[in-house]
Amino acid sequence: LAKTTQPISMDSYEGQEVNITCSHNNIATNDYITWYQQFPSQGPRFIIQGYKTKVTNEVASLFIPADRKSSTLSLPRVSLSDTAVYYCLVGDMGGSARQLTFGSGTQLTVLP
Amino acid sequence: EAGVAQSPRYKIIEKRQSVAFWCNPISGHATLYWYQQILGQGPKLLIQFQNNGVVDDSQLPKDRFSAERLKGVDSTLKIQPAKLEDSAVYLCASSLTGLAGGRYEQYFGPGTRLTVT
Repeated sequence: LAKTTQPISMDSYEGQEVNITCSHNNIATNDYITWYQQFPSQGPRFIIQGYKTKVTNEVASLFIPADRKSSTLSLPRVSLSDTAVYYCLVGDMGGSARQLTFGSGTQLTVLP
Repeated sequence: EAGVAQSPRYKIIEKRQSVAFWCNPISGHATLYWYQQILGQGPKLLIQFQNNGVVDDSQLPKDRFSAERLKGVDSTLKIQPAKLEDSAVYLCASSLTGLAGGRYEQYFGPGTRLTVT
């Protein structure tokens, strides 16, 4: 199972770009990197997924260096509503979800 | 598109009692998951179904927890008897498929908050 390491918490201000980095030194060849967002009293919500290089969608970008031992979730111009816990998951998409360990995540707090 | 439905949203029971949670996944989703999320921690997978078959239940405490997914749609998770340490949020999620590789987006329900006193 690929172990991930994320900062426990981060603070930012409205309008700033936020980058959350996840370390996954023992990522396997077949593993994908997936990020989820969770608000209090809600289930996690899928943000973005990637395998290598850069992936961008309407809410975030995911940067993955060539060695794939880390990844960075980038949230452009955050607002107060982006305050949430962000989870980095690494695993083989073709197997059991048990390997997609959520860990404790990163608590992002956006300040006015 | 309707999301994953769960009920009840909240449940308070005494230790040694039994409790059941219900989940209705998104229509057409073959894979269903039950997670346990203890306060301050990330979700932990309890069991994963592919249609009505079990893919992984290695982290399900089978002496007290059971789950079924009859007809490959709705699912129930039961705890009998409950212990104090079972206090947590129980999340149900579904995905189109979990075994074909590629994109693997899980859709989560709102969860059931269980308090065992």
